[in-house]
Amino acid sequence: KNQVEQSPQSLIILEGKNCTLQCNYTVSPFSNLRWYKQDTGRGPVSLTIMTFSENTKSNGRYTATLDADTKQSSLHITASQLSDSASYICVVSAGGNKLVFGAGTILRVKS
Amino acid sequence: DAGVIQSPRHEVTEMGQEVTLRCKPISGHNSLFWYRQTMMRGLELLIYFNNNVPIDDSGMPEDRFSAKMPNASFSTLKIQPSEPRDSAVYFCASSFLRPGEKLFFGSGTQLSVL
Repeated sequence: KNQVEQSPQSLIILEGKNCTLQCNYTVSPFSNLRWYKQDTGRGPVSLTIMTFSENTKSNGRYTATLDADTKQSSLHITASQLSDSASYICVVSAGGNKLVFGAGTILRVKS
Repeated sequence: DAGVIQSPRHEVTEMGQEVTLRCKPISGHNSLFWYRQTMMRGLELLIYFNNNVPIDDSGMPEDRFSAKMPNASFSTLKIQPSEPRDSAVYFCASSFLRPGEKLFFGSGTQLSVL
């Protein structure tokens, strides 16, 4: 069964600190993996995409990693800001138009 | 481009009433998706269209739900009759239909069925 598991479920950190969100998947066939950020009351917005051959990709203070062998991805946020408070959703494309969504990690950044 | 536009933003209705949610996709996108989001189940795909044709409606929970896309710039999701368990946030998203293409989501419709 295609599944995407995210951890932790929720996280609270102080402004300026770093954090790492995890995504484990059992999806086959694997096409790519995206991280979405969903602000409260808004729809998800794509942060980054990881393909099979990519290990690391950065988008500003966000760095995503992918280990296709262990089927794990992480999203690292550096020097967190209050505006990083959101839900972060890992989405794996199973080829074609089949998308498998994780339940998300709720991040709260405190001042 | 204004992005994907959904209306209404909030809908409160009584059980048994008909509810119609509306979506205008990004101009030029050929695929449109309807998702439902709840705390318990996260984001669930209800149905998606390609070039205005429904391709996969296996996520539509039951016959009370129906979706139409009469043209490339408009889609509706209708629930008739509505039930309290339909309460959720309903998102519309659009994209180009290529594997792994990113989705552009609207701001959602918060539906509460009393």
